[in-house]
Amino acid sequence: DAKTTQPPSMDCAEGRAANLPCNHSTISGNEYVYWYRQIHSQGPQYIIHGLKNNETNEMASLIITEDRKSSTLILPHATLRDTAVYYCIVRPSSSGSARQLTFGSGTQLTVLP
Amino acid sequence: GAGVSQSPRYKVAKRGQDVALRCDPISGHVSLFWYQQALGQGPEFLTYFQNEAQLDKSGLPSDRFFAERPEGSVSTLKIQRTQQEDSAVYLCASSFDRVPTNYGYTFGSGTRLTVV
Repeated sequence: DAKTTQPPSMDCAEGRAANLPCNHSTISGNEYVYWYRQIHSQGPQYIIHGLKNNETNEMASLIITEDRKSSTLILPHATLRDTAVYYCIVRPSSSGSARQLTFGSGTQLTVLP
Repeated sequence: GAGVSQSPRYKVAKRGQDVALRCDPISGHVSLFWYQQALGQGPEFLTYFQNEAQLDKSGLPSDRFFAERPEGSVSTLKIQRTQQEDSAVYLCASSFDRVPTNYGYTFGSGTRLTVV
């Protein structure tokens, strides 16, 4: 799986957009970008994924640059409940024998009141 | 149940003690994973089951760690002769798919093991 780089921490004001960056300069053509988050004392939770087009769902939007070397997860109106560690994971959609996810250290997002 | 259930939620063990951690996956889920999460780190893969078959145990850190899923549903992670470095949160995840999609996982809330 391609290596990802994320800032260790970020703050965001409640009600504002939270923009979480991820660098994945070694991404290959068949690899998708996945985002998970982990709220304190819970297990990781899937948020969104994409290949090259921007994606949006009820939780977030994912913006992938044209060269696919970086992406941004956007929480449009952050709430206190969005305080969590956010993980960016890059891997093929079909991983053959390597079925497990590989997490880095992620970004601790703190939403401030 | 509606989610992945893990028990106990917290476990304190004296160094050298054996412990057993339980995971109840979502009913019908074929794939089951165990992860270890040290404080301030992301989860790290330990082992993977497809039904009752343990297909990958490459992440188990030592032969003191043993996992089983004898009937293809409930799984137990056993740690023998616990050491302080075993202190971590142990997460279980399950997926309906035989070959899980990268978004089809459901994680439990984990068991926090503290070895004193």
